[in-house]
Amino acid sequence: GESVGLHLPTLSVQEGDNSIINCAYSNSASDYFIWYKQESGKGPQFIIDIRSNMDKRQGQRVTVLLNKTVKHLSLQIAATQPGDSAVYFCAENISKGGADGLTFGKGTHLIIQP
Amino acid sequence: EPEVTQTPSHQVTQMGQEVILRCVPISNHLYFYWYRQILGQKVEFLVSFYNNEISEKSEIFDDQFSVERPDGSNFTLKIRSTKLEDSAMYFCASGLDRVAFGAGSRLTVL
Repeated sequence: GESVGLHLPTLSVQEGDNSIINCAYSNSASDYFIWYKQESGKGPQFIIDIRSNMDKRQGQRVTVLLNKTVKHLSLQIAATQPGDSAVYFCAENISKGGADGLTFGKGTHLIIQP
Repeated sequence: EPEVTQTPSHQVTQMGQEVILRCVPISNHLYFYWYRQILGQKVEFLVSFYNNEISEKSEIFDDQFSVERPDGSNFTLKIRSTKLEDSAMYFCASGLDRVAFGAGSRLTVL
């Protein structure tokens, strides 16, 4: 099965509301997690990352939460804006000291309703 | 802000033809990657490259694929004999943490 996956394929929220995008992973050895945003026709854009020695990390309007007990990762976006509409992927890897490939989840399509 | 650039943005080729996709990673990065994304699916890791050699590769990266860093700035992905199922977006990426992705090269195999 997949190492990383997402619970919901599409999430629709009102502009200005907060959104939460969830991700489950199955490899307990994973120690590095990233959220990427992908707009139509573009490559994945880094949003925020977190290592397994942390359970929360905040950026500008975004927060990533990591629950290692249940192997769950979430991305919270505060005060969503139209520009937040995109597909959001979580990705993970196991740091082996080299150029380690990321394993991506399937993606959640976030739609911001005006 | 520095970015990963890729060419061509779109390439159409006949099945069995060789294709080379080109990338210019971010200049001070040492780790380079290729990923692909079949339409509507998730991004899949192909290969990573460091110090002029392959660091890690996935099952997708078979003998039909090769990578090269021909000079100090370019990083290429070659598909020796394309198949219909090679049609996808191919993303080049660079960096160690906070890996940065290019905009992609769309490959269409007819």
